[in-house]
Amino acid sequence: DSGVTQTPKHLITATGQRVTLRCSPRSGDLSVYWYQQSLDQGLQFLIQYYNGEERAKGNILERFSAQQFPDLHSELNLSSLELGDSALYFCASSALAASHNEQFFGPGTRLTVL
Amino acid sequence: GENVEQHPSTLSVQEGDSAVIKCTYSDSASNYFPWYKQELGKRPQLIIDIRSNVGEKKDQRIAVTLNKTAKHFSLHITETQPEDSAVYFCAAPGGGSSNTGKLIFGQGTTLQVKP
Repeated sequence: DSGVTQTPKHLITATGQRVTLRCSPRSGDLSVYWYQQSLDQGLQFLIQYYNGEERAKGNILERFSAQQFPDLHSELNLSSLELGDSALYFCASSALAASHNEQFFGPGTRLTVL
Repeated sequence: GENVEQHPSTLSVQEGDSAVIKCTYSDSASNYFPWYKQELGKRPQLIIDIRSNVGEKKDQRIAVTLNKTAKHFSLHITETQPEDSAVYFCAAPGGGSSNTGKLIFGQGTTLQVKP
């Protein structure tokens, strides 16, 4: 157990819908990351937050948005869902913002868009 | 642009043999190179990392080597065991010299260790 929690574990929804994925980082970690892992794909970096502020952005679609709250938990919002958004979404956390800080991954949320 | 290439995509070895996975990166400012292991249905976990001020790092049966001039780094697993079977990902910083945690991951290598 990495100490990072994600809810829900599974999510099944329809095209055009909107969902929210939630992540709680390890105790004391200030940085939260979101990754997308599609079938037969590697880990695609979406976005990083550090202490409530956006720190780095990857190839995140405009239909996706995220935020980090004062208690440091984070939410990833996916809207106007398409079939291709079906994937495993991982949250990770690290103590600080820089890349050499080990990132601890949560168990992931499996999103299925029908 | 930012890019990490990883080879091979699949690797099958006999138990006890060695396995080598190679990655190349494009950003010469990159200074940190982690390797993650992802077992089937599980989360990725860091197994070893190396910083640009050293050329090699070992931890029991695993080692990582770095060649900054050629911009490539490799994972070496010796005396492989069935429990080493997993997908392995290399990564490099995506932010260049900026102070972010953005990591660019390779495409992954599925390692199968046959008993």
